[in-house]
Amino acid sequence: GNSVTQMEGPVTLSEEAFLTINCTYTATGYPSLFWYVQYPGEGLQLLLKATKADDKGSNKGFEATYRKETTSFHLEKGSVQVSDSAVYFCALRGGAGGFKTIFGAGTRLFVKA
Amino acid sequence: AAGVIQSPRHLIKEKRETATLKCYPIPRHDTVYWYQQGPGQDPQFLISFYEKMQSDKGSIPDRFSAQQFSDYHSELNMSSLELGDSALYFCASSLAGQGSYNEQFFGPGTRLTVL
Repeated sequence: GNSVTQMEGPVTLSEEAFLTINCTYTATGYPSLFWYVQYPGEGLQLLLKATKADDKGSNKGFEATYRKETTSFHLEKGSVQVSDSAVYFCALRGGAGGFKTIFGAGTRLFVKA
Repeated sequence: AAGVIQSPRHLIKEKRETATLKCYPIPRHDTVYWYQQGPGQDPQFLISFYEKMQSDKGSIPDRFSAQQFSDYHSELNMSSLELGDSALYFCASSLAGQGSYNEQFFGPGTRLTVL
């Protein structure tokens, strides 16, 4: 079945450092890909999405490109801030997996001032 | 803009008790999804409904049941609660007919603690 694998955390960075969180997926068909962010004690917020190959999703300085050839959707940000500290979930929906969202295990990011 | 509403936000129950979680989707959304997120875990899909009919089923225990009503709100009923049921329960809603591109809007979650 469909699945998502993302790099284990926690990831600890200093403010203004470059961030990459790796995400790869296994899917049948053509799923849409998502990144969600969860701040401590809060719910899930959609950060960005891409619905087809080579699409780039971007929001709040974060970017991710849907790479079908490498089945990847890595999250990047050029300069992180303390306020970016949260758990980031890579997810997919669609293809043969139907309309439910399948999440990766999550990567916790700590940004130090 | 209106968002997904879940109630209650926090719930504390004893083992073997029952609990009912409610989800009110965004107006005009016809599809509801339930997810369970254990401590330090990723959200796991439980069940979904479209137009009051179950549309997909995931790892939902037999002790749990759910339904969607004519006003599209949904309720997750949990019986014989166990300590392992302590989790954050998310509801999400979407508008069907847009394939996998339809965005699912997540509610704030109900945090259930079983003592």
